[in-house]
Amino acid sequence: GENVEQHPSTLSVQEGDSAVIKCTYSDSASNYFPWYKQELGKRPQLIIDIRSNVGEKKDQRIAVTLNKTAKHFSLHITETQPEDSAVYFCAASNNNAGNMLTFGGGTRLMVKP
Amino acid sequence: NAGVTQTPKFQVLKTGQSMTLQCAQDMNHEYMSWYRQDPGMGLRLIHYSVGAGITDQGEVPNGYNVSRSTTEDFPLRLLSAAPSQTSVYFCASSILAGGTYEQYFGPGTRLTVT
Repeated sequence: GENVEQHPSTLSVQEGDSAVIKCTYSDSASNYFPWYKQELGKRPQLIIDIRSNVGEKKDQRIAVTLNKTAKHFSLHITETQPEDSAVYFCAASNNNAGNMLTFGGGTRLMVKP
Repeated sequence: NAGVTQTPKFQVLKTGQSMTLQCAQDMNHEYMSWYRQDPGMGLRLIHYSVGAGITDQGEVPNGYNVSRSTTEDFPLRLLSAAPSQTSVYFCASSILAGGTYEQYFGPGTRLTVT
């Protein structure tokens, strides 16, 4: 089955700096890669996703890149703000519905004001 | 439109007891899933469904049963609770929207098995 590894497990940045979180996956059939933000005690919330036919996707301060050959994808957050502090999870899926997700272990991002 | 709802929010069980975690969505989504999240870890898929009457196993299905008799409801049954099933359980539903599958998670059920 699919295996998703996520690094780093914790990341501390100064407000205004950029943050990068990286994930690798093992199943070359995976074709859908979402990123979730989870605040303490809350449900995961989808913040951005990318499909295997696209190399990069951007939404305001958030961008995701995908390298299918190397089987890795990354989340980039620019101009970080204290409200970006949360746990971020990457995930991968090889079904079109995106409802069979394999998650990475998570990255705790702390943005210091 | 309540989205994805889960009940109960909290539950404490004794080892060997059974119970059903409820999940409902009012968005007419075809796809629904159950995940568990252990402390400090990512979510792991327990069971999923691609439509009423169709279910299948995920990564960690042992000790759990599901059924999908309607589009709206997807209950998760713990057959004989064990301490290893102490976790937060999230139900999710998804639908194709604008070329992207938007997956919505419920608020979660925090289960403790003693």
